[in-house]
Amino acid sequence: GENVEQHPSTLSVQEGDSAVIKCTYSDSASNYFPWYKQELGKGPQLIIDIRSNVGEKKDQRIAVTLNKTAKHFSLHITETQPEDSAVYFCAGLNAGKSTFGDGTTLTVKP
Amino acid sequence: EAGVAQSPRYKIIEKRQSVAFWCNPISGHATLYWYQQILGQGPKLLIQFQNNGVVDDSQLPKDRFSAERLKGVDSTLKIQPAKLEDSAVYLCASSFTGESYEQYFGPGTRLTVT
Repeated sequence: GENVEQHPSTLSVQEGDSAVIKCTYSDSASNYFPWYKQELGKGPQLIIDIRSNVGEKKDQRIAVTLNKTAKHFSLHITETQPEDSAVYFCAGLNAGKSTFGDGTTLTVKP
Repeated sequence: EAGVAQSPRYKIIEKRQSVAFWCNPISGHATLYWYQQILGQGPKLLIQFQNNGVVDDSQLPKDRFSAERLKGVDSTLKIQPAKLEDSAVYLCASSFTGESYEQYFGPGTRLTVT
């Protein structure tokens, strides 16, 4: 089955800096890669996604890039703000089944 | 639009007891998922329903876990008997269809087994 690895497990940045989280996947048949933000006591919330026929997608301060050949994808957050502090999960979807990474705890220091 | 509803939000039980969780998906969403999220890990799919039929339950420990989705709307997940290692957050999610990739998650039920 699919295996998704996520790095780093923790990330601390100063407000205004950029943050990058990386994921690799094992199954080349995976075709959809969402990113979720999970705040304490809440369920994961979809923040951005990318499909396998696209290399990059941007939505305001967040962007995702996908390298199908290398089987890795990354989340980029620019101009970070304290409210970006949360746990971020990547996932890969194959045949309707999602496999999640183990999460990155992002802390944005004011 | 109302989100995915789950209850209870918290539950503490002793090992060998039974527990049930309830989920009400977003109206019109045909696909419903139950995930187990152990502290420090990502969600792991337990079971996926398409309407009231099971699509994938390959990671559901069927000797103690069961789930149903009567009438293709609400769903319940049951654990009987519970073990210490079942302590986790149980998340319910829904999507418009199985081919609609966007999943919407509920707030989860935090289960503690003592």
